[in-house]
Amino acid sequence: KAGVTQTPRYLIKTRGQQVTLSCSPISGHRSVSWYQQTPGQGLQFLFEYFSETQRNKGNFPGRFSGRQFSNSRSEMNVSTLELGDSALYLCASSFWGANYGYTFGSGTRLTVV
Amino acid sequence: GESVGLHLPTLSVQEGDNSIINCAYSNSASDYFIWYKQESGKGPQFIIDIRSNMDKRQGQRVTVLLNKTVKHLSLQIAATQPGDSAVYFCAENPQANAGGTSYGKLTFGQGTILTVHP
Repeated sequence: KAGVTQTPRYLIKTRGQQVTLSCSPISGHRSVSWYQQTPGQGLQFLFEYFSETQRNKGNFPGRFSGRQFSNSRSEMNVSTLELGDSALYLCASSFWGANYGYTFGSGTRLTVV
Repeated sequence: GESVGLHLPTLSVQEGDNSIINCAYSNSASDYFIWYKQESGKGPQFIIDIRSNMDKRQGQRVTVLLNKTVKHLSLQIAATQPGDSAVYFCAENPQANAGGTSYGKLTFGQGTILTVHP
């Protein structure tokens, strides 16, 4: 059974650019959440999608957005990148949501220069 | 400004010892808790979970204890092995009982670095 797949694994972008990260959940999983992990702030919740609808959103600026497709695959977008956006972005999937346990992908390491 | 990294608690044990990692959670309304293990370069890996109607749950070599009175969670690892070396996170789901629907948010603790010496 394939796990959660995130692409790309590594990304280097210039300040002011935008970036799109992709996440393919485990087959049959309908809930996809995104997290940002940094040494300074730890793991922080970005947003969660279930059946193409955003159900919950964390405390991040509007530059961070996401979406989910009918096949449950999800993308997140960060516009007007700032140096502080450098982080490991993790995607997690679950059949129903967080209270059934999330399986995480290996993440996308984003570096903004 | 310059960011300051989190100063993660550390636990250093000898191979074969039992390890106990502690976590204080924040939301008294949380009713679902998970422990994750994260190795360098990887995403968090599910270890064990527990719901608030339980005080204790056991898995293979791991036990989670929940004390709702003081909002405390602990992870016990029996016969710790070098392969257990990693950062361990507790996480809570504060909305697990919201009309029976989860809204997908986990709030993570800062993590504990476990180092197991052969």
